[in-house]
Amino acid sequence: GAGVSQSPSNKVTEKGKDVELRCDPISGHTALYWYRQSLGQGLEFLIYFQGNSAPDKSGLPSDRFSAERTGGSVSTLTIQRTQQEDSAVYLCASSSDHPEAFFGQGTRLTVV
Amino acid sequence: AQKVTQAQTEISVVEKEDVTLDCVYETRDTTYYLFWYKQPPSGELVFLIRRNSFDEQNEISGRYSWNFQKSTSSFNFTITASQVVDSAVYFCALNRLHTGKLIFGQGTTLQVKP
Repeated sequence: GAGVSQSPSNKVTEKGKDVELRCDPISGHTALYWYRQSLGQGLEFLIYFQGNSAPDKSGLPSDRFSAERTGGSVSTLTIQRTQQEDSAVYLCASSSDHPEAFFGQGTRLTVV
Repeated sequence: AQKVTQAQTEISVVEKEDVTLDCVYETRDTTYYLFWYKQPPSGELVFLIRRNSFDEQNEISGRYSWNFQKSTSSFNFTITASQVVDSAVYFCALNRLHTGKLIFGQGTTLQVKP
């Protein structure tokens, strides 16, 4: 596609439920990133995929968070047993040979 | 450790004023990249510029200009003759060569009043 696509754009879930957030990167981009932006906060790095290399998971806040990237393209961020502090905008980005990352519109997650 | 500091949390100007957004970074790497992103109210982060650490030439793009000074570890962004459409949150970011993780500053909220 022309840009990074994320779905859903908004998600409201009950505390304790699992959620899956999807990211479809720009075609041909080998790198994919997930960031989290809490209300009024900066951007917090979560995880980074580059080609077939092992992902950099150093930013995942707890073992309730996981992500996978299938076929080097689409990625899914899964949050298990959601908590209210997980409420945030989850941003996905992708990049090619150039280091600048291009971001999607984000998924606004609200845990009630 | 790598760190990006945007000391200005919020800036408010009147249309047509010039405004400079400050960015100071810390890194032990000799080679790295610096970026500016714009986040308008719609929420999507828009890439504005990339600067390589080995290229200290300043850049101008229309009303936007960037001043990179390695000696002071700063990468400041100036908007000349600001417009209401410039109202957004602006993020400065740093990344190490050949790695993916972008380290963002906390962002500066710019409000341009008519």
